[in-house]
Amino acid sequence: QLQLQESGPGLVKPSETLSLTCTVSGGSISINNYYWGWIRQPPGKGLEWIGSINYVGTTFYNASLKSRLTISADTSKSQFSLKLNSVTATDTAVYYCARQDVKARADPFDFWGHGILVTVSS
Amino acid sequence: EIVLTQSPATLSLSPGERATLSCRASQSVSSSLAWYQQAPGQPPRLLIYDASNGATGIPTRFSGSGSGTDFTLTISSLEPEDFAIYYCQQRSNWPLTFGGGTKVEIK
Repeated sequence: QLQLQESGPGLVKPSETLSLTCTVSGGSISINNYYWGWIRQPPGKGLEWIGSINYVGTTFYNASLKSRLTISADTSKSQFSLKLNSVTATDTAVYYCARQDVKARADPFDFWGHGILVTVSS
Repeated sequence: EIVLTQSPATLSLSPGERATLSCRASQSVSSSLAWYQQAPGQPPRLLIYDASNGATGIPTRFSGSGSGTDFTLTISSLEPEDFAIYYCQQRSNWPLTFGGGTKVEIK
């Protein structure tokens, strides 16, 4: 069974860089039918897509975050990562990593990590 | 950017009742729409993809319909575990977007 697990600091200071890693087990991240994405959810609010990366390293970013965002992958470790710089309190959220099935028209997220709460505060 | 508007914001129903949730897109997304369920403290769970296809392991009481700009998620008879928040999502165009959610609560 595919499993995804987010890891990284739960507290980041304003203006610093938020760095998270998603480790995938039970499957490869190098398969061409799947992308790997990040989604966040501020406390008590809805879901926001952050960005995705495909099996050849092509990235797709939310335009609202693009200037601060880097998503990368290390296929040898079955990991993909998120870096968001110059964070503010509005970046406080639960961050999820998920697999995106691009065989389907909607490119749905069919497997999710449990999520990690990242708080931006001094 | 395609905006997805979900209605109602909150749906108050009793177990055993039928739930009908709406998702409207600001422009056509064809059938490139998915539905998710999120229970408190849990990640979202994929229910429906491509407007009407049930995801693996999803009970048959969940069904999706629609195309273009108007979509519906129907829960035929609410079970206690179905009281949760439901989101729609499109990827007809980048950026991928989610609707604001509908909370199904116990009446």
